[in-house]
Parts: sequence; C-alpha cells; structure tokens
Amino acid sequence: GAGVSQSPRYKVAKRGQDVALRCDPISGHVSLFWYQQALGQGPEFLTYFQNEAQLDKSGLPSDRFFAERPEGSVSTLKIQRTQQEDSAVYLCASASGAGSGNTIYFGEGSWLTVV
Amino acid sequence: QKEVEQDPGPLSVPEGAIVSLNCTYSNSAFQYFMWYRQYSRKGPELLMYTYSSGNKEDGRFTAQVDKSSKYISLFIRDSQPSDSATYLCAMSRMDSSYKLIFGSGTRLLVRP
Repeated sequence: GAGVSQSPRYKVAKRGQDVALRCDPISGHVSLFWYQQALGQGPEFLTYFQNEAQLDKSGLPSDRFFAERPEGSVSTLKIQRTQQEDSAVYLCASASGAGSGNTIYFGEGSWLTVV
Repeated sequence: QKEVEQDPGPLSVPEGAIVSLNCTYSNSAFQYFMWYRQYSRKGPELLMYTYSSGNKEDGRFTAQVDKSSKYISLFIRDSQPSDSATYLCAMSRMDSSYKLIFGSGTRLLVRP
C-alpha cells in the first residue's frame, strides 16, 4: 500500500476486555515498530520486529501486551484484560531497512479508549 | 527527569515569522536526531534527520545539533498557517538506532 495502514482507527473497550490492533506496513518493509502515545505526550517505544523476528520488546509495559508478526508483514498488537491506563494512541511504523538512516514511516494510529 | 525535554508550548506566531523549536537531552550516547511533524489525529511525519553534530537545511527547514550542549533546534523560515502542528524531536543511540526517544512535542500555531 501507499502508507502504513492501521485498524481499527478507533476502539472503545470495557475494562477487562481483550483488544487486537492490526498494522499493515508499507509493502516490502523489513522493520516494523509499535509505539504508544498518551495524550499530550510523545510516542514511546513498545517493540521492534525485523521481518518475523521480534528483536526488542523492552518497551511493552506488562505481560498483558503481546505483539506478533508471523509472516514478516502484517503485525498485531494484542492487549489482554485492558485497564484504563492502556487508553492511548497505538502507532505502528515501518522502515525499508534494518539499520540507521532508514526513514521510519508512521501510520495514523489506533485510538484506544478503555472505559 | 525525562531523557528528552521539550517545551509543550503552545507557540503562536504570525505568518511569515521565523520559528525556533528546541529540545534538550541528557543521554550523551544519542547519535541520531530527528524532527517529526504531527497534525491532529495523524501519525508523526519525518521532517529532518541528522547524524551527530552540525546543521542540515531542507527548504524552509534547518536542523541544528549541538552535542556539546546536548541541545537540538529546528528553525522554520517564512512560516505558513499550514505549518500549524505539533513538532516532536526524537533521537536514538547508535547501538539501538531503531528505538526512537521522543520529546513531548511543541504545539505551533501560525496565525494568518
């Protein structure tokens, strides 16, 4: 596709519900990232994939958060037993290469509200 | 204390003004420095990318990095109402260049 595509764009979940957020990176992009952006804050790193390998998941806030990219393209971020503090925009991004100097392209985000 | 500090603004300027946006940081290991623009309800869009110290110019935008002072700047010349957005600085280390550390963003409003 032309850009990074995320779905759903908006999600309201009841506390305790599980949610799944999908990311379609730019076609052929090797690297894929998930970031979390709270209201009025900058994005915070969650996890990084190079192809299907999850190379860094140090930013995932708890074991309720899980990300996968089984075939090296589409990725899913799953949040189990959602809590109010999980309310944020979840940004997916991709880059063509694996090293520095590769432009990271962000999607428009999935807006999660936990009520 | 956050690794990257950025004044949240808002910064309001008249059309045509020169805008100066800044970030300070505490981690001397940062080697890559970026500026992103984020419109409301959109994802961040890369404006400028700089490696280590120095200046870089692209059209109306100039990015400066002063590693000795741990200070980076973005200048926008001849600002336009379409420049109204939140500007985020971001930086990363050489050993984890994929992991961007963002400032909290500065809201800019350019008045017609």
